[in-house]
Amino acid sequence: DAKTTQPPSMDCAEGRAANLPCNHSTISGNEYVYWYRQIHSQGPQYIIHGLKNNETNEMASLIITEDRKSSTLILPHATLRDTAVYYCIVRPLQWGKLIFGQGTTLQVKP
Amino acid sequence: EAQVTQNPRYLITVTGKKLTVTCSQNMNHEYMSWYRQDPGLGLRQIYYSMNVEVTDKGDVPEGYKVSRKEKRNFPLILESPSPNQTSLYFCASRYRTATNEKLFFGSGTQLSVL
Repeated sequence: DAKTTQPPSMDCAEGRAANLPCNHSTISGNEYVYWYRQIHSQGPQYIIHGLKNNETNEMASLIITEDRKSSTLILPHATLRDTAVYYCIVRPLQWGKLIFGQGTTLQVKP
Repeated sequence: EAQVTQNPRYLITVTGKKLTVTCSQNMNHEYMSWYRQDPGLGLRQIYYSMNVEVTDKGDVPEGYKVSRKEKRNFPLILESPSPNQTSLYFCASRYRTATNEKLFFGSGTQLSVL
């Protein structure tokens, strides 16, 4: 089961881009990278996912390195409401066991 | 409206008293799973179910049971709860379209075992 490594915490100034890294060096070719975030003790919310190519949606961008061993979630203009715990996970092709890890606590400061 | 419903939202119980936390989804999802969240440990998967009558262990299954007799429900059972099972629990189901697959999470159940 591929595991992920994330820094425990990061700060970001409001209005600036927040770049959250994730290491997944044991990822296999058919496993996807997913990002979720959790605000306070609410249920985690989906942000974005990708396999090989970079992806962008209305919330964020996902940059995956060519060797797929790491990725970066980019929140282009962070707001105070983006303060949350961000989880990077590797999802097997057929789902099954998912390993979330401890995530990165992002603090957006005014 | 698509949702994953957990009940109860809060539960206080005593050691050894069997309890069940219910989870239901109205989206006809096949994959469902349970997680616990503890300070400093993030989210850890307890059990998952690929479909009706198909369940398997996650990372931390000890002390828990699950059942999947019908697609919409996936209850978490603690036959003999202990204080180390005090935690915040989340249920989730998988949303799937032709172009996207993601987990929908419930609002959580805060369990305290005294």
